[in-house]
Amino acid sequence: AQSVAQPEDQVNVAEGNPLTVKCTYSVSGNPYLFWYVQYPNRGLQFLLKYITGDNLVKGSYGFEAEFNKSQTSFHLKKPSALVSDSALYFCAVRDRDDKIIFGKGTRLHILP
Amino acid sequence: GAGVSQTPSNKVTEKGKYVELRCDPISGHTALYWYRQSLGQGPEFLIYFQGTGAADDSGLPNDRFFAVRPEGSVSTLKIQRTERGDSAVYLCASSLTSLAGDTQYFGPGTRLTVL
Repeated sequence: AQSVAQPEDQVNVAEGNPLTVKCTYSVSGNPYLFWYVQYPNRGLQFLLKYITGDNLVKGSYGFEAEFNKSQTSFHLKKPSALVSDSALYFCAVRDRDDKIIFGKGTRLHILP
Repeated sequence: GAGVSQTPSNKVTEKGKYVELRCDPISGHTALYWYRQSLGQGPEFLIYFQGTGAADDSGLPNDRFFAVRPEGSVSTLKIQRTERGDSAVYLCASSLTSLAGDTQYFGPGTRLTVL
């Protein structure tokens, strides 16, 4: 069975510093990996995804994520955090023939 | 272009009542998904449609929950004999196809409160 883990409930980063939000996964086949962001009282907004190809994926709002097959990880990164990046971030994984599974989410606080 | 829309945005009902939640997907998207999100949790899959048919309803918690998509566009999630434990945000998403790599685009959700 597939699963996804976000080991940190909350991450605090000073504005201007690089940020990382961690995600690890488990699937039986090749993974399809996604990051979404959720602002208060809003639905999920798509940030980026990994399907195949380059391990470094670039997405919206300056975010990127690195697919690491050996470590089964797909960490979300941004070189310089903004206060407006403060939100709830969800990692998700999908196997070819299965439904998408979301992590519990990581709350990101960017401190001014 | 228009995104996924959901109505109502909020629904308060009493235990035992019947509710319907509506989802309008992005035009041209053939796949439609329903999720339930409880406080402090990620979205939990309920059911998805490819066209008019339910391709996977394995996430529906029990037979009080039912969903339809009669014309392959708008979908309605129906909950009978609501219970307090059904209180959550119900999210709908659509994608161009049901292929695993297709991005799902989410609506703003319907917050259901069962008193």
